[in-house]
Amino acid sequence: EAGVTQSPTHLIKTRGQQATLRCSPISGHTSVYWYQQALGLGLQFLLWYDEGEERNRGNFPPRFSGRQFPNYSSELNVNALELEDSALYLCASSRSSYEQYFGPGTRLTVT
Amino acid sequence: QKEVEQNSGPLSVPEGAIASLNCTYSDRVSQSFFWYRQYSGKSPELIMSIYSNGDKEDGRFTAQLNKASQYVSLLIRDSQPSDSATYLCAVRYNQGGKLIFGQGTELSVKP
Repeated sequence: EAGVTQSPTHLIKTRGQQATLRCSPISGHTSVYWYQQALGLGLQFLLWYDEGEERNRGNFPPRFSGRQFPNYSSELNVNALELEDSALYLCASSRSSYEQYFGPGTRLTVT
Repeated sequence: QKEVEQNSGPLSVPEGAIASLNCTYSDRVSQSFFWYRQYSGKSPELIMSIYSNGDKEDGRFTAQLNKASQYVSLLIRDSQPSDSATYLCAVRYNQGGKLIFGQGTELSVKP
């Protein structure tokens, strides 16, 4: 069974630009979660999508947004990038509310 | 007060010993508990989930949950150098789908 995939692996942007990160869940999983892992801050929950709807969001500003497509893949958009947005962005998927499995992540660097 | 707390370590054990990793959580309505292993530069890998009080064993790993004491632990028997990683405790509440992570405990197994 193929795991969660994410693209790109690395992304370098300058402050003020927009970043788009993509995630494909494990086949059969309908929920997608986004987390941010910044140095020294641990894993922080960003967004949860299930069946195409945003179900919950973490304590992040509105410039962090996303969507889930009919095939359950998902996209995370970060607008007006700031230096502190530099982090590893992790996508996880699950069946309904069962265990979450993580993808390899996208390393975003904002300069 | 942090919602999920772990000793940051590093925890150093000799090869073949039992490694004991601990985690406490603050919200009594927490329902699901997970242990992830994260190697340096990699994404978290799910190794154990536990939902009810008591012990759950899977190979060399045993998860222990005590909801009255709001405490969950992970024991690794016959520790191997390949077990050297950061172990993340995660808690999921009834609603919201999100996982709340501890800061992680770094484990080092010395040959």
